[in-house]
Amino acid sequence: DTGVSQDPRHKITKRGQNVTFRCDPISEHNRLYWYRQTLGQGPEFLTYFQNEAQLEKSRLLSDRFSAERPKGSFSTLEIQRTEQGDSAMYLCAVTELSQETQYFGPGTRLLVL
Amino acid sequence: GIQVEQSPPDLILQEGANSTLRCNFSDSVNNLQWFHQNPWGQLINLFYIPSGTKQNGRLSATTVATERYSLLYISSSQTTDSGVYFCAVVGAGGTSYGKLTFGQGTILTVHP
Repeated sequence: DTGVSQDPRHKITKRGQNVTFRCDPISEHNRLYWYRQTLGQGPEFLTYFQNEAQLEKSRLLSDRFSAERPKGSFSTLEIQRTEQGDSAMYLCAVTELSQETQYFGPGTRLLVL
Repeated sequence: GIQVEQSPPDLILQEGANSTLRCNFSDSVNNLQWFHQNPWGQLINLFYIPSGTKQNGRLSATTVATERYSLLYISSSQTTDSGVYFCAVVGAGGTSYGKLTFGQGTILTVHP
């Protein structure tokens, strides 16, 4: 148990639809990250939150993507007008400010048809 | 940004064999983690090891930060060790906010 849950675990959607994923750390973690992993590749950084502040966004995060962490606890990642290229595993990771080890959730596997 | 290269890309072993996985990185790092990704996609932490040597059961890892590489040793491999092994680093330069840069991974298959 990594202390991070993600919902849903799997999502199939049609191109053009909007989808939203949720990441729930079990306990309080100051830092929260989103990564995306496509088939055969390592995960790639998308965005970073320190408490409720979004401090960094990757160039991979186009304007169709938006992420929030409204109360500094759970986070959501929304993709608008999905494209087939958005098909990937979306991973959430957390760490505490005083530590460096990142712990990953089980991921949400998205398939865009 | 920092580059991470892992070798070999694929490794096939017989149960009981030992193996060494390598991770090279292009710049100084503040953080280096080894992960095992299971068939369901879960990334499991193996080691946080920006420098030095650590051991956990049949697994051990060594990072030589000055020479910019890390090694993961698996001894007496078991079929449950199969999966993808990732090395991930946080570059020491600039404002990285702790974001990990991953290598491409080593796919390990252990046959009974």
